[in-house]
Amino acid sequence: SYELTQPLSVSVALGQTARITCGGNNIGSKNVHWYQQKPGQAPVLVIYRDSNRPSGIPERFSGSNSGNTATLTISRAQAGDEADYYCQVWDSSTGVVFGGGTKLTVL
Amino acid sequence: QVQLQESGPGLVKPSQTLSLTCTVSGGSISSGSYYWSWIRQPAGKGLEWIGRIYTSGSTNYNPSLKSRVTISVDTSKNQFSLKLSSVTAADTAVYYCARDSIVRDGYRRWGQGTLVTVSS
Repeated sequence: SYELTQPLSVSVALGQTARITCGGNNIGSKNVHWYQQKPGQAPVLVIYRDSNRPSGIPERFSGSNSGNTATLTISRAQAGDEADYYCQVWDSSTGVVFGGGTKLTVL
Repeated sequence: QVQLQESGPGLVKPSQTLSLTCTVSGGSISSGSYYWSWIRQPAGKGLEWIGRIYTSGSTNYNPSLKSRVTISVDTSKNQFSLKLSSVTAADTAVYYCARDSIVRDGYRRWGQGTLVTVSS
């Protein structure tokens, strides 16, 4: 079955850039989506198909995907960006696959 | 704006069947452009995809849950449902229904989630 690996936690200083990685075998050949989830809330899509932002998502959120790693980048991090972040792909054998999630802390 | 709302018992006994319904409002579940999914999240843990259904009735399930899962759709009620059999405490989680488009551009619509506890 296909698996996605994320770091358990990432810390970033206020106003700096945070990068959250999502590792998977040849993930660069797949479309990667990213979700933000705050406590007690449903996830919110922040990046779709590797690098596209849904309407209403700030330009500070960006994504890339190549080789075995996809990356979510959050520029000029704000306190309100503190959340859990999940990557997600579709695999023809496994179905929808989520990464284990990364807790972002803004210091 | 399409909204999704989960409903069903919040407490299920071990070995019994968990049953949840997702009601779709603000749009037709029969539009043909979307997959309708169930996703769960145990407390303090990550998201786990359970499965999905297309309006034609075709389904895809998580291989790890496939033997216990049935997802169905009722277009007349604009609802789709989840049945998970032989539940154990490990099935205790917040259960979300969500919508993904056929062009696979991510889950843009989610229900608020409903907590289901498996306990005697």
